[in-house]
Amino acid sequence: EDQVTQSPEALRLQEGESSSLNCSYTVSGLRGLFWYRQDPGKGPEFLFTLYSAGEEKEKERLKATLTKKESFLHITAPKPEDSATYLCAVPMAGNNRKLIWGLGTSLAVNP
Amino acid sequence: GAGVSQSPRYKVTKRGQDVALRCDPISGHVSLYWYRQALGQGPEFLTYFNYEAQQDKSGLPNDRFSAERPEGSISTLTIQRTEQRDSAMYRCASSPQTGARGEQYFGPGTRLTVT
Repeated sequence: EDQVTQSPEALRLQEGESSSLNCSYTVSGLRGLFWYRQDPGKGPEFLFTLYSAGEEKEKERLKATLTKKESFLHITAPKPEDSATYLCAVPMAGNNRKLIWGLGTSLAVNP
Repeated sequence: GAGVSQSPRYKVTKRGQDVALRCDPISGHVSLYWYRQALGQGPEFLTYFNYEAQQDKSGLPNDRFSAERPEGSISTLTIQRTEQRDSAMYRCASSPQTGARGEQYFGPGTRLTVT
């Protein structure tokens, strides 16, 4: 069964304390992995797309990496404004019209 | 440029009434998705349009739910004879690419409350 699992469910960091979020997936024939950020009361905001193992994308303090089984979202020297829920999603195998979404990691960065 | 907009932002309706939720996608985006999102959950797929054609409606919970995108731009999600279990955040997203390969841009959502 196609599945996306994110860990940890919640993470609390001090400002400047780097860490990583994990997104593992069981989808055959991966056709992309998407990272989104969601602030309370708002819709998900697109961050990155990764298409192949070994690929990396960066945006400010965020770097996303992809292997054949999982993706990591590395947060370097986070700031309080990085606090949000981070969601990952992959297209469903055999139906590239649908995304399978993880439940997200709720990140809180304390000043 | 303007992002995805949805209206109304909040809708309170009585059980049994029909509601229509509107989505105005980013100009030129070919794909449009409707999702339902519960608190603390990822978006739940409802239906998908490629231009004006509804390509997949397998996520619609039952036949009280329908959606249209008649001119390939604005879309309406209609819920007939609303029930309390329909209360949720309904989100629309558009994408410049067809299928789920492209990034999706989400609107602010419509919070539906059925009393």
